[in-house]
Amino acid sequence: DSGVTQTPKHLITATGQRVTLRCSPRSGDLSVYWYQQSLDQGLQFLIQYYNGEERAKGNILERFSAQQFPDLHSELNLSSLELGDSALYFCASSVGARGGTDTQYFGPGTRLTVL
Amino acid sequence: QQQVKQSPQSLIVQKGGISIINCAYENTAFDYFPWYQQFPGKGPALLIAIRPDVSEKKEGRFTISFNKSAKQFSLHIMDSQPGDSATYFCAARGYYGQNFVFGPGTRLSVLP
Repeated sequence: DSGVTQTPKHLITATGQRVTLRCSPRSGDLSVYWYQQSLDQGLQFLIQYYNGEERAKGNILERFSAQQFPDLHSELNLSSLELGDSALYFCASSVGARGGTDTQYFGPGTRLTVL
Repeated sequence: QQQVKQSPQSLIVQKGGISIINCAYENTAFDYFPWYQQFPGKGPALLIAIRPDVSEKKEGRFTISFNKSAKQFSLHIMDSQPGDSATYFCAARGYYGQNFVFGPGTRLSVLP
């Protein structure tokens, strides 16, 4: 158990809908990262937050948005869903130090299925 | 320059054998190289990591070899076990808060 929690575990929805994925980081971690992993694909970095502020943005679609709240939990919002958005979405957390050894700990993921 | 290449895509090894996964990078600003292990339906978990100031790091049956001049690093799993069957990702990160760049992954199957 990494200490990172994600809800829900599974999510099934229809095209055009909007969903929200939630992540709670490990105690003491200030940074939250979101990744997308499609079937048999690698991890695609979406976005990073540090202590409530956006720190880095990766290949995140304009239909997707995220935020980190004062209690440090984060939400990833996916809107106008398409079939291709079906994937595993992982949240990871870290202390957030700028040093290279800042280790990320991954949550169990949310499996999104868009029908 | 942000890419991390990883090979092979899949690997089948007999129990007790040595599994070797290779990664290569181009960005010389990378200076932290972790390996993650992912079981089906689970999130990736940190396995072992190395900084480029050392050429090798060993933890139990897992060893990272690092060649800074060639910009390559590899994971060796000694005495591979069926329980090691998983997908392995190499990653790289630079010092100045750059985000991790992950390799595409290697699916390892260890036959009993």
